[in-house]
Amino acid sequence: AQKVTQAQTEISVVEKEDVTLDCVYETRDTTYYLFWYKQPPSGELVFLIRRNSFDEQNEISGRYSWNFQKSTSSFNFTITASQVVDSAVYFCALSEVNNFNKFYFGSGTKLNVKP
Amino acid sequence: SQTIHQWPATLVQPVGSPLSLECTVEGTSNPNLYWYRQAAGRGLQLLFYSVGIGQISSEVPQNLSASRPQDRQFILSSKKLLLSDSGFYLCAWSGRVDEKLFFGSGTQLSVL
Repeated sequence: AQKVTQAQTEISVVEKEDVTLDCVYETRDTTYYLFWYKQPPSGELVFLIRRNSFDEQNEISGRYSWNFQKSTSSFNFTITASQVVDSAVYFCALSEVNNFNKFYFGSGTKLNVKP
Repeated sequence: SQTIHQWPATLVQPVGSPLSLECTVEGTSNPNLYWYRQAAGRGLQLLFYSVGIGQISSEVPQNLSASRPQDRQFILSSKKLLLSDSGFYLCAWSGRVDEKLFFGSGTQLSVL
């Protein structure tokens, strides 16, 4: 079964619009970590955020914010006032402490921000 | 500081030829090492991971193999490439359990 699901394959928005990227995960571990990575056209993956399973506090970093809800097994990512430079593929990932620290990635959401 | 080197950046190989992609990590010891593949327009698929020298776990049965001859060296190999082996291959490492994953710059493999 898919451990990380990103149902949105591709999203297109106009610059300055807000956009939310969805991530739903599945795990039986009580201790796990969730991540978001950005993959610009260059291909290299850029780390954005890590959240452990015991910290449900939402986080804001500039125009980026993350909403972690254990009750719905979701870790959604919102970009406020999107910019063209935000265009990239965004991946959500899960790491299970009791599973040899393997990292499982979702299929990614391609975000197109148009000027 | 830690760095990860992956080469070559691009590779074009004929069907049936062998493959060897190398990845090395600097600035850390006993890292967990990973090989991922990203098919065109698709997500990241975990191929192999290693928690130590000579310790390789395979996630997906396939035409590829991995080896870890040294603590900070991870090699992805194939004896005979298939068309379906084409894709973007990423090496990555992580440290302690709660560390994030650090990625190499990737190898774009085209099998023709």
